[in-house]
Amino acid sequence: AQSVAQPEDQVNVAEGNPLTVKCTYSVSGNPYLFWYVQYPNRGLQFLLKYITGDNLVKGSYGFEAEFNKSQTSFHLKKPSALVSDSALYFCAVRGYTGANNLFFGTGTRLTVIP
Amino acid sequence: NAGVMQNPRHLVRRRGQEARLRCSPMKGHSHVYWYRQLPEEGLKFMVYLQKENIIDESGMPKERFSAEFPKEGPSILRIQQVVRGDSAAYFCASSIEGAGTGELFFGEGSRLTVL
Repeated sequence: AQSVAQPEDQVNVAEGNPLTVKCTYSVSGNPYLFWYVQYPNRGLQFLLKYITGDNLVKGSYGFEAEFNKSQTSFHLKKPSALVSDSALYFCAVRGYTGANNLFFGTGTRLTVIP
Repeated sequence: NAGVMQNPRHLVRRRGQEARLRCSPMKGHSHVYWYRQLPEEGLKFMVYLQKENIIDESGMPKERFSAEFPKEGPSILRIQQVVRGDSAAYFCASSIEGAGTGELFFGEGSRLTVL
């Protein structure tokens, strides 16, 4: 079965500091991995994806994620956090090989402290 | 180009009533997904549809829930005889090429409250 785990329910970071939101995955076959962000009372917005190629993927709003096959991880990172980055972040993995649906983690709430 | 449109945004039903949630995908998108978000939980996949076809309904409860995406008109998620446990935010997403390689575009959700 395909799944992702987000081990931290909550991450707090000071404005200007680097941030990391963790995600580990379990898949059979090649992993297709995604990060989405949800602002209060809104739908999810796509940030970035890893399908193949470079292990470091760059996305929207200055975010990036590093695919690490040996550690089965896909952590989301940003060099300098902004207060406006405060939101709920979801890691997601494609379903079974060839499927077209995504399975989401439980989410990590990021709070950037001014 | 309008985004994914969901309505109603908020719906209140009493136990035993029916709830109908509608989703109009982005123009040109033929893949529609429904997800449920319970308080303090993540998104749970419910169903994946293309026009007139249910592709994957592995996340749908076996009873009371149904979904359709007709040739004309929006996709409908229907919940019959609602119970309090159905209270949640229901999100619809669409994509142009399937979720596996493309990004999903989400609506702002329909929040169902069952009294």
